[in-house]
Amino acid sequence: EDKVVQSPLSLVVHEGDTVTLNCSYEVTNFRSLLWYKQEKKAPTFLFMLTSSGIEKKSGRLSSILDKKELFSILNITATQTGDSAVYLCAVEARGTNAGKSTFGDGTTLTVKP
Amino acid sequence: NAGVTQTPKFQVLKTGQSMTLQCAQDMNHNSMYWYRQDPGMGLRLIYYSASEGTTDKGEVPNGYNVSRLNKREFSLRLESAAPSQTSVYFCASSYKGPGYSYEQYFGPGTRLTVT
Repeated sequence: EDKVVQSPLSLVVHEGDTVTLNCSYEVTNFRSLLWYKQEKKAPTFLFMLTSSGIEKKSGRLSSILDKKELFSILNITATQTGDSAVYLCAVEARGTNAGKSTFGDGTTLTVKP
Repeated sequence: NAGVTQTPKFQVLKTGQSMTLQCAQDMNHNSMYWYRQDPGMGLRLIYYSASEGTTDKGEVPNGYNVSRLNKREFSLRLESAAPSQTSVYFCASSYKGPGYSYEQYFGPGTRLTVT
């Protein structure tokens, strides 16, 4: 059974801090890993990672995948109160499970002014 | 583009009642999904539909049925609601092809309470 574990479960920081969120996974026949941000409503897409070692970047957010060690990290630099949200990691598999995403329980980030 | 829409936004049911949650997308996506999210947890897949006319079970299908009415619409039915089905339900859609996939787009959610 596919499994995604995120750590820490929650995190409280102050504006301007840098945070690193972790996602480890076990999946048969890995296809991709995705990060989503959820702010009290529907999740919205941040990044999709398919290859090891290639950093994806969007503004202050960046993410990288290690397919050998089976994990990904999401970095947020110079955090702002608007970054407060639940960050969800999901993995997709190829083959018969194609189309299914398995989600972790999320990391709740609170950024204080 | 409305994206993914869901109705209703809120619903309260008594144990044993039935209801159908509706979902529609206007992005011409072939895949659609139903998830539930309980407090402090991630999304758990109930059912998904890789294309029109096909549906498959996810992690937690018991107590639910689905219908992929056409390419746009994917409904979730609770035949006999139970308190354990109190949750927030999200519908999502995405475009998938052979050997590649894209991110999922989510609807606004339905908050269901079963008393």
